[in-house]
Amino acid sequence: GDSVTQMEGPVTLSEEAFLTINCTYTATGYPSLFWYVQYPGEGLQLLLKATKADDKGSNKGFEATYRKETTSFHLEKGSVQVSDSAVYFCALILSYNTDKLIFGTGTRLQVFP
Amino acid sequence: NAGVTQTPKFRVLKTGQSMTLLCAQDMNHEYMYWYRQDPGMGLRLIHYSVGEGTTAKGEVPDGYNVSRLKKQNFLLGLESAAPSQTSVYFCASSYVMTLGFEKLFFGSGTQLSVL
Repeated sequence: GDSVTQMEGPVTLSEEAFLTINCTYTATGYPSLFWYVQYPGEGLQLLLKATKADDKGSNKGFEATYRKETTSFHLEKGSVQVSDSAVYFCALILSYNTDKLIFGTGTRLQVFP
Repeated sequence: NAGVTQTPKFRVLKTGQSMTLLCAQDMNHEYMYWYRQDPGMGLRLIHYSVGEGTTAKGEVPDGYNVSRLKKQNFLLGLESAAPSQTSVYFCASSYVMTLGFEKLFFGSGTQLSVL
């Protein structure tokens, strides 16, 4: 079935380190892909999105490129900050069923000074 | 800007008790959703609504009921709570759900524990 697979966390980094959180998907058709972030005590917020192959989503220094050939949408940031500590969710919407957002299990990022 | 407001934020129930979670949005959104978040399982859709007076089942609807009597409110009910319903519940809303869609707006969540 349609699904999203993320790397397990927690990911622990020092401030200014490079971040990669892997996300791969299985889907029929042509999904749109998203990264959501959940800061402690808050709801999920959309971080970035990409709606077609080779699109690059970016926001707040984070980037992710929609790679159809590898069915991936890895999240990257060149220099993380303590304030980036949160849980990150990869998600997709299927083009033929736009009523449901399929989430991955989430990856917790912890950044230390 | 209130956005999506969930009440209560925390609740502890005993097995068999009932309760209702309220979600309210002030953005005039058509679509509203209830998700549950469990460790290692991501978010799973319980029920959703595509407009006032309509509801539909999501992935895990058993044990829950919902109502959308007013466009701005989406209620999630547990008639007889079970320990398996211990979870964090998130409500979300959106104007429309299409490719390139307007982003979902999430509430801050409700932590529910069933003993």
